[in-house]
Amino acid sequence: ETGVTQTPRHLVMGMTNKKSLKCEQHLGHNAMYWYKQSAKKPLELMFVYNFKEQTENNSVPSRFSPECPNSSHLFLHLHTLQPEDSALYLCASSQEWLQNTGELFFGEGSRLTVL
Amino acid sequence: DAKTTQPNSMESNEEEPVHLPCNHSTISGTDYIHWYRQLPSQGPEYVIHGLTSNVNNRMASLAIAEDRKSSTLILHRATLRDAAVYYCILNDGNEKLTFGTGTRLTIIP
Repeated sequence: ETGVTQTPRHLVMGMTNKKSLKCEQHLGHNAMYWYKQSAKKPLELMFVYNFKEQTENNSVPSRFSPECPNSSHLFLHLHTLQPEDSALYLCASSQEWLQNTGELFFGEGSRLTVL
Repeated sequence: DAKTTQPNSMESNEEEPVHLPCNHSTISGTDYIHWYRQLPSQGPEYVIHGLTSNVNNRMASLAIAEDRKSSTLILHRATLRDAAVYYCILNDGNEKLTFGTGTRLTIIP
């Protein structure tokens, strides 16, 4: 238990569906992150939120839409996805955004399959 | 981004020490060296970090070369639970934390 909870753990969706991934952290952190992990590829940073403000968008396609209503919750809204978007989506949090000594706490991930 | 180079895979026997190397020849003076590991079917977890001096914690030790161009993560007594992908990452506090492909560690019973 890392203090970062992701739901659902597994999701299968069609290319025309709209779904959302949810992340919740119980650590009192101020920064939250979405990472994508595709098979055989390194983790890719997608979005960073610091104090609920988006501070990083790593050239992510608009079919991925993040939302951070408060410092404890982070969503990733998905629509019109492609099969190549199938991956493990990881949420992480840290006390503040990328301090040198900052430690990232990851959730267990949401395994997404797009048919 | 400052880059790191790690071997793709390593094997070690259970209950023996493991030394996982990382090269970071372009490291700058403000870069911290972080290590994370990712167990099967889980998200990455923090292991240890350091700047110049060697560091110890309950999970591992981090040995940093004097010129800081390389470092070694030391697991003192490997168990089967230590089988994971280990990532060596540089963090200057101003850039996104960039994960490479890491070293896949296999523990042989």
